[in-house]
Amino acid sequence: GQQLNQSPQSMFIQEGEDVSMNCTSSSIFNTWLWYKQDPGEGPVLLIALYKAGELTSNGRLTAQFGITRKDSFLNISASIPSDVGIYFCAGQVDTGNQFYFGTGTSLTVIP
Amino acid sequence: NAGVTQTPKFQVLKTGQSMTLQCAQDMNHNSMYWYRQDPGMGLRLIYYSASEGTTDKGEVPNGYNVSRLNKREFSLRLESAAPSQTSVYFCASSERGFRLFFGSGTQLSVL
Repeated sequence: GQQLNQSPQSMFIQEGEDVSMNCTSSSIFNTWLWYKQDPGEGPVLLIALYKAGELTSNGRLTAQFGITRKDSFLNISASIPSDVGIYFCAGQVDTGNQFYFGTGTSLTVIP
Repeated sequence: NAGVTQTPKFQVLKTGQSMTLQCAQDMNHNSMYWYRQDPGMGLRLIYYSASEGTTDKGEVPNGYNVSRLNKREFSLRLESAAPSQTSVYFCASSERGFRLFFGSGTQLSVL
């Protein structure tokens, strides 16, 4: 299957700091999705990106679809304790085909 | 609006036992999916159903069978459980292959 490299694997930050994480693939994707997962729960969709260069925000979260279509970025501004969790990227080669997931970034916010 | 509902939430099996994981969605989505999540491996696709009446293998289909019972329901069956199938299982659905929406997961232990 497709390989998605997500980095960093884990982050420990102070409350109020900004966070950046990214995902890269060996293949071109037409769709990038970003999810957050809390312990014992399923992933919850944060942002969906459908076009190269697209920049989309959801509150304090901003994600970008890389111009090369092989990468995507997620930024969280002014982090708060409830941002704690695991963040996953997912990519899709063509609409209707399967999604491939990164291995996740574990975020810890220190009050 | 419940979204994607999975049952059971937890299950313990002995090696060789069989069981069926149930999934239902109320969003009128055509596509449904079964993923497994293992530590450090992200989410891997077991089987998916692009539409009612069709099913296809994903990355890790061995040891599993699926049934798309109707548009709402997609079940995953383990005929003879093995310890390697200890994992957290997620069902998901999507609208024409765009955004994925997940259930809350089934934690399965095979002893």
